[in-house]
Amino acid sequence: EVQLVQSGAEVKKPGESLKISCKGSGYSFTSYWIGWVRQMPGKGLEWMGIIYPGDSDTRYSPSFQGQVTISADKSISTAYLQWSSLKASDTAMYYCARLRDSSFDYWGQGTLVTVSS
Amino acid sequence: QSALTQPASVSGSPGQSITISCTGTSSDVGSYNLVSWYQQHPGKAPKLMIYEGSKRPSGVSNRFSGSKSGNTASLTISGLQAEDEADYYCCSYAGSSTLGVFGGGTKLTVL
Repeated sequence: EVQLVQSGAEVKKPGESLKISCKGSGYSFTSYWIGWVRQMPGKGLEWMGIIYPGDSDTRYSPSFQGQVTISADKSISTAYLQWSSLKASDTAMYYCARLRDSSFDYWGQGTLVTVSS
Repeated sequence: QSALTQPASVSGSPGQSITISCTGTSSDVGSYNLVSWYQQHPGKAPKLMIYEGSKRPSGVSNRFSGSKSGNTASLTISGLQAEDEADYYCCSYAGSSTLGVFGGGTKLTVL
């Protein structure tokens, strides 16, 4: 069974750094792109970027380029999304999802990130 | 890259059919047959319902169907059921620079 399990909710202060994770199982983790999707409170879904764990090829949507860093450790089948300096506007639910046939076929349960002073 | 345009809300009675439109541009929906649709219930992760414009993943009811004409994709749900009440999002591949773009979402209410 394909599963993506994300790390737990985080509460951070503006300016702090953060790295959240997404662990894949039940499939060949290195053979599929993993994407990150943002959902701000009460709002829609936004493409952030994708990574191919097989060779760490990473691509960002223009709106998120330079704002976040996507990485992966294929030895432990885990993808990451990180911020070096959080802002209040980063408060959102973040989903990881497996990309197949240009669509996200399996999703993690989401990680809620709250940034507040 | 602007989000794809969806109606904010649609509604229908049980047993009826509804269609949700998703309008993009010649740079996304119009250029690729790579539109996907997602269902999201409150507090839950999205679920893939349609991929590559009209294909249904295993396990998705055949009451859900997708189509495309020009720059507009559509999701049709036939035989509406109470459990179909949710938010629906379209998404299109938009090239190697933009990657993908979602629609703003449509809230489906089953009356």
